[in-house]
Amino acid sequence: GQNIDQPTEMTATEGAIVQINCTYQTSGFNGLFWYQQHAGEAPTFLSYNVLDGLEEKGRFSSFLSRSKGYSYLLLKELQMKDSASYLCAVRDKNSGYALNFGKGTSLLVTP
Amino acid sequence: EAGVAQSPRYKIIEKRQSVAFWCNPISGHATLYWYQQILGQGPKLLIQFQNNGVVDDSQLPKDRFSAERLKGVDSTLKIQPAKLEDSAVYLCASSLNILTGAAETQYFGPGTRLLVL
Repeated sequence: GQNIDQPTEMTATEGAIVQINCTYQTSGFNGLFWYQQHAGEAPTFLSYNVLDGLEEKGRFSSFLSRSKGYSYLLLKELQMKDSASYLCAVRDKNSGYALNFGKGTSLLVTP
Repeated sequence: EAGVAQSPRYKIIEKRQSVAFWCNPISGHATLYWYQQILGQGPKLLIQFQNNGVVDDSQLPKDRFSAERLKGVDSTLKIQPAKLEDSAVYLCASSLNILTGAAETQYFGPGTRLLVL
């Protein structure tokens, strides 16, 4: 089985930087994904990490440490439209490469 | 490029009734997934297809849920009979070919919101 933990809620100010953490336990790690999900909409892909280190993509960056079972998503220059749920998902090669999602972190960006 | 299509977008039924959802994946995507997302939770995988074969259905409540992908393209998910706790969003996703082990991103459809009364 897998445990994926991330904070339930976070609040940050427009223009600021926020870091959303995710810890996981899995036997067949084959990559970690971050998805963004606005209320009432489908999840959309943000980032993918399979090797240790930082992946940068515009205002969003994602970090992975496989030895620690830890990842974070870093959002810079926050905008109001970044208010959404951020889902951490781990792919397991022992489960047909399916994604196992955490419960999501609801981020509220305030003026 | 067209995305993953799902229908209906919304469905309200009474408990013990039956319901079916339809999904059309992105053209050329061999792998198709059905997820259940309960309010406030992350998506939970119900079943995964590779072409028309089932890869993983370990979390599918088989006494009431069934799914098929007969021609390896479209898929249907059925609930019969529905229970109150089945109220959720049912998401369909697809990816090119997950069994290559490559970094295949899953693309999600808009989902079907089911309310069981």
